[in-house]
Amino acid sequence: GESVGLHLPTLSVQEGDNSIINCAYSNSASDYFIWYKQESGKGPQFIIDIRSNMDKRQGQRVTVLLNKTVKHLSLQIAATQPGDSAVYFCAETWEGYQKVTFGTGTKLQVIP
Amino acid sequence: DAGITQSPRHKVTETGTPVTLRCHQTENHRYMYWYRQDPGHGLRLIHYSYGVKDTDKGEVSDGYSVSRSKTEDFLLTLESATSSQTSVYFCAITKGTSGRGGLDTQYFGPGTRLTVL
Repeated sequence: GESVGLHLPTLSVQEGDNSIINCAYSNSASDYFIWYKQESGKGPQFIIDIRSNMDKRQGQRVTVLLNKTVKHLSLQIAATQPGDSAVYFCAETWEGYQKVTFGTGTKLQVIP
Repeated sequence: DAGITQSPRHKVTETGTPVTLRCHQTENHRYMYWYRQDPGHGLRLIHYSYGVKDTDKGEVSDGYSVSRSKTEDFLLTLESATSSQTSVYFCAITKGTSGRGGLDTQYFGPGTRLTVL
């Protein structure tokens, strides 16, 4: 809900610019990663995922990059729009693990 | 839309009272999860289910119990609510063909905002 965005790192981006949101994951055994978007008062919404046998995956206006060497994940949003304003967080899991570990998130603010 | 509903959407209750939250799905998915979300903590897993009557604990399960008597319903019960359980609660399901809940994308319900006074 509205309290999700409190205490989070914030990225402010001008409308039309590209946004890059970063995530450091914790487990070197993780082999599946997901990015979620959460708007105020709503549940998290799946954006894009990537498996560890890839280092890049593209969707519509979004790209996820995976660097397993430094355990880093990034989400790139092209031509950022006001509707992209939300909290974004990454999640990780691994083969044989029935659960998912979520990051705390980054708040994206789009300046019109 | 993953066909997930949660009820109630908002609830205010008093310390010491039992509370049950319901998650309902319409697509017969095997895996269901309950999370709580608090500022500064992200989503934390309370309990999850991998089938009817099959449940397991997550990282913050103390003070919570769950039941799954039907595929479509996953109930979360706060046996005796405390102020520390004031939170937003999300239900999630896993869609996918891997057969391993963790390897398939989770889809979330709209959440229940619970306030314990």
